[in-house]
Formats: sequence, structure tokens, C-alpha cells
Amino acid sequence: GAGVSQSPSNKVTEKGKDVELRCDPISGHTALYWYRQSLGQGLEFLIYFQGNSAPDKSGLPSDRFSAERTGGSVSTLTIQRTQQEDSAVYLCASSLAPNNYEQYFGPGTRLTVT
Amino acid sequence: AQSVTQLGSHVSVSEGALVLLRCNYSSSVPPYLFWYVQYPNQGLQLLLKYTSAATLVKGINGFEAEFKKSETSFHLTKPSAHMSDAAEYFCAVTLSGAGSYQLTFGKGTKLSVIP
Repeated sequence: GAGVSQSPSNKVTEKGKDVELRCDPISGHTALYWYRQSLGQGLEFLIYFQGNSAPDKSGLPSDRFSAERTGGSVSTLTIQRTQQEDSAVYLCASSLAPNNYEQYFGPGTRLTVT
Repeated sequence: AQSVTQLGSHVSVSEGALVLLRCNYSSSVPPYLFWYVQYPNQGLQLLLKYTSAATLVKGINGFEAEFKKSETSFHLTKPSAHMSDAAEYFCAVTLSGAGSYQLTFGKGTKLSVIP
């Protein structure tokens, strides 16, 4: 079946611009995660959605980062006023409760802020 | 809080030799442990997982790992390296019974296989 998909695969933006990254989870998966992979910090958790519950935003690095999940499916990660340190690969993963520890990752979006 | 330490950011082995990638964890409650593999420009693929059943777990592509509570380790092994094993490997931990199961990753170990 179809896996997790992310778009765009690559995004180059100028410092100060806003960007939106999209994630389509595996159909039927109730949980969705965003992670960031950067040279300096490795892989970091950003945010977690589970069904209709309030998201766990504890990993978001600043208030310039936000995410939403519409209809319990597609998610969008938005970065406002991008900075060069936001350059990274943004990975999305989904899982099926109750085994939310078994996460399936998408290919990622490589964001470059110039 | 939990953490993962992977010893060796880069490991080189000869084709056909044993692969050993080291992972030590720190966790306040019983952990769930994972190894993921990442090929260039791709996402993460789950190799194997430990979720408190058998301590020796077998995964895909001939890899296995053993959970050793006394050593807080979860090292990844493969008896005979293949060229296609060249990739970056990440050990990860999450807390059993946790609501979100967010993963905490190690820094990764890049495996090179020498023909």
C-alpha cells in the first residue's frame, strides 16, 4: 500500500519568508509525528497528533513553528519568517494506535533557507 | 527523560565481515528500542524493534539486536556485511506506556562496506 508521502521534496526559500510543508500519512493511521533532521542537532521530535486530541507541541523550537492536521489526515507544518538555522530535512511519520511506537516515515522535505 | 548514545559516528567493515553498531540508552522506565536505517536522500526505514518481549530480536536484511538491561545496551549486529548495507543507522528509544511514543534518536552511525 501507499506509504507516507511528503511534499515538496525540496524547498529553497529566502530568509524571512514563510513556508508550508505537507504530509500525507498512511491511510487509517491515527497518529502523526513531525521530526527535524539537521547536521547540528540530529533527529529531533517536533510535534505529535493523535486523533482529535490536542497535539503535543513540546518539541517545537520556537513560536515561528506551527502545525495543523485537518480531518485527522493531512498535516501541514508552517515555518514563519524562516531563518538559516531552519535549514534541515523535515520528516513526517505516522502510526496506528495502539502501537504508536511503530512509526513509518516519509521521505522528508529538504528545506534550504538562503 | 530518555536518551541514546551511539558509539562511533562512522564504522567501516569489509564485505563479509561482522557488523556491530553500538547503542546505549538511558531511560527512567522500561524502554522500547528501535533501529532505523536511512539510505541517501531517503526517509527512515524500521529495521527492528524491542518492545519487552524476547530480548533477542531479528529484523530485516539479516540484522538482529539484543536488549541487555544490565548493560543498558541494544547493539545491532549482522554476521556478514553486504555492499547494500552501506547506509546510516539510527538507534531510537521511547518510553513504554507513554502516550505519544515520540522517538528520541541517537546521532547515527554511518556504515561503510569495503569490497
